[in-house]
Amino acid sequence: AQKVTQAQTEISVVEKEDVTLDCVYETRDTTYYLFWYKQPPSGELVFLIRRNSFDEQNEISGRYSWNFQKSTSSFNFTITASQVVDSAVYFCALSGGPGGATNKLIFGTGTLLAVQP
Amino acid sequence: DTGVSQDPRHKITKRGQNVTFRCDPISEHNRLYWYRQTLGQGPEFLTYFQNEAQLEKSRLLSDRFSAERPKGSFSTLEIQRTEQGDSAMYLCASSPTGTSGGYQETQYFGPGTRLLVL
Repeated sequence: AQKVTQAQTEISVVEKEDVTLDCVYETRDTTYYLFWYKQPPSGELVFLIRRNSFDEQNEISGRYSWNFQKSTSSFNFTITASQVVDSAVYFCALSGGPGGATNKLIFGTGTLLAVQP
Repeated sequence: DTGVSQDPRHKITKRGQNVTFRCDPISEHNRLYWYRQTLGQGPEFLTYFQNEAQLEKSRLLSDRFSAERPKGSFSTLEIQRTEQGDSAMYLCASSPTGTSGGYQETQYFGPGTRLLVL
């Protein structure tokens, strides 16, 4: 069975601090995809990144970076120099299955990030 | 570039009533997905269409739920005889078809329809 665990329910930081959101996944598939989405108070899920299981290179996009480690089944997300606008719920998600795509996303329970000014 | 749109954004109904939600995907996307999100949880998959064909349904989709995508464009999700447990955010997403077998394209989400059943 596929499962995504985001153990951190809530994180509160002060602006300009760095923060890492943890994501641990379970799957028996050899081909799978991992995603991060941001859900601000407005409710719309905003896509941040997609990573496939064959690409373990870390990625950096501005203040955002992602660390994918297959050995520990983790796909962690770091925000550097956090800003108030980063306040949102962040979801990690997994898809996979025979051939690599079941066409549905399995989401974790999300981490609420509150950035205080 | 127009994103995924959903209508209505909010719906309040009384238990036992029927409700219908609409989703308009990104125009060139032929895959469309419905998810349900309850408070404090991540979205849960309900069903998915490729063009007009409904290809997968979750066990969460009881007999009171029906989804359609006529002509492979917009989709509707109907809930009959609503119950208080149906109160949730209903999210729609769309994606292109993968360019090769097994490739998972990114799903882009709409703003959701928030349903409250009294």
